[in-house]
Amino acid sequence: AAGVIQSPRHLIKEKRETATLKCYPIPRHDTVYWYQQGPGQDPQFLISFYEKMQSDKGSIPDRFSAQQFSDYHSELNMSSLELGDSALYFCASSLLGLEYGYTFGSGTRLTVV
Amino acid sequence: ELKVEQNPLFLSMQEGKNYTIYCNYSTTSDRLYWYRQDPGKSLESLFVLLSNGAVKQEGRLMASLDTKARLSTLHITAAVHDLSATYFCAVDPYSGNTPLVFGKGTRLSVIA
Repeated sequence: AAGVIQSPRHLIKEKRETATLKCYPIPRHDTVYWYQQGPGQDPQFLISFYEKMQSDKGSIPDRFSAQQFSDYHSELNMSSLELGDSALYFCASSLLGLEYGYTFGSGTRLTVV
Repeated sequence: ELKVEQNPLFLSMQEGKNYTIYCNYSTTSDRLYWYRQDPGKSLESLFVLLSNGAVKQEGRLMASLDTKARLSTLHITAAVHDLSATYFCAVDPYSGNTPLVFGKGTRLSVIA
């Protein structure tokens, strides 16, 4: 079965640089979520999109932005990177009304040096 | 604001023993999820609990949900080393396709 695809798997950036993470949800899933997980921490919700419109916003810094495109893939754009942005970034997708929950991608490990 | 509390946060148990991880939450949601995470890896869905009294079992793991008490449990039976991982419970606060709120996770280590 198709899963949630994230790219890249690993990314190393310097402070103040910009990074773009991509997420391809499960086909026909209508909602995409972005989470950030620091070392030893629980996943923290950043932002979500339902049918290409922003639906919920969590603790996403102003330096970050995201969008969902017409083909339903989503991108998380991160600018002016800081050392504290180093984390695992997960994308998840779900389908309203489908009761099997949320499927997470393999994540992107971002390291800011 | 929804709070999800797990305990214990760290658990070291011997192979063959039984133990229970608890997940309390502060909203009236009836949708709770359990995930497993190995170090540096993704979140693997274990159980989806969608109603009061729901009980699901898979191998040595059994999860239950009591929405009145706002409590879910993950019971481990006869632990084996392969179960060593971090286990997260997560709640859908509005019971329908809304962002999950996670507990802090329980880091389980099963030792011989």
